[in-house]
Amino acid sequence: DTAVSQTPKYLVTQMGNDKSIKCEQNLGHDTMYWYKQDSKKFLKIMFSYNNKELIINETVPNRFSPKSPDKAHLNLHINSLELGDSAVYFCASSQGDLSYEQYFGPGTRLTVT
Amino acid sequence: GQNIDQPTEMTATEGAIVQINCTYQTSGFNGLFWYQQHAGEAPTFLSYNVLDGLEEKGRFSSFLSRSKGYSYLLLKELQMKDSASYLCAVYGAGSYQLTFGKGTKLSVIP
Repeated sequence: DTAVSQTPKYLVTQMGNDKSIKCEQNLGHDTMYWYKQDSKKFLKIMFSYNNKELIINETVPNRFSPKSPDKAHLNLHINSLELGDSAVYFCASSQGDLSYEQYFGPGTRLTVT
Repeated sequence: GQNIDQPTEMTATEGAIVQINCTYQTSGFNGLFWYQQHAGEAPTFLSYNVLDGLEEKGRFSSFLSRSKGYSYLLLKELQMKDSASYLCAVYGAGSYQLTFGKGTKLSVIP
């Protein structure tokens, strides 16, 4: 069984559109994350969320918003997509805070044209 | 601010030992991670060091010196499947302060 899953795996869209990426974990973890990995393979944390608190990396544009319908899901919604948003987006989860091992989903490759 | 340095690329021979270094300058320090990432795949956890010293886990070992802002990942008995990027990440001060280095791409050759 897949521990952390994401859909879609590939997403191609035009500038200005709004899109969502879904993430689910079946590990019973308390905390979920979204990361962006750019073309230079630089992995950057965007959000950290548990059932009590959303922590946002202040450098992330407010066009990006995480939405969590329940503890096992953390979706990423992106408004008004820009060319620079093209990257691979990884969802991850951990049992606790950032001191815990993280389990990553397979990634979603977003291409904005 | 956060600054993490790793060599961009390394090449080593199958069966050999390779050491991948990571130096960091961060505002606060809570621990250091090593992750492995094969091309086109997700990162997978290798190790987490909080205290100074060497931690061994099978063929992989990780070392930390907090006073020097330095860590290394040691891979023994290299196998072809070890060809991957190795990411150093520091958990610093602040709730979202998990900063990744740019990764070291290791190529294992026969």
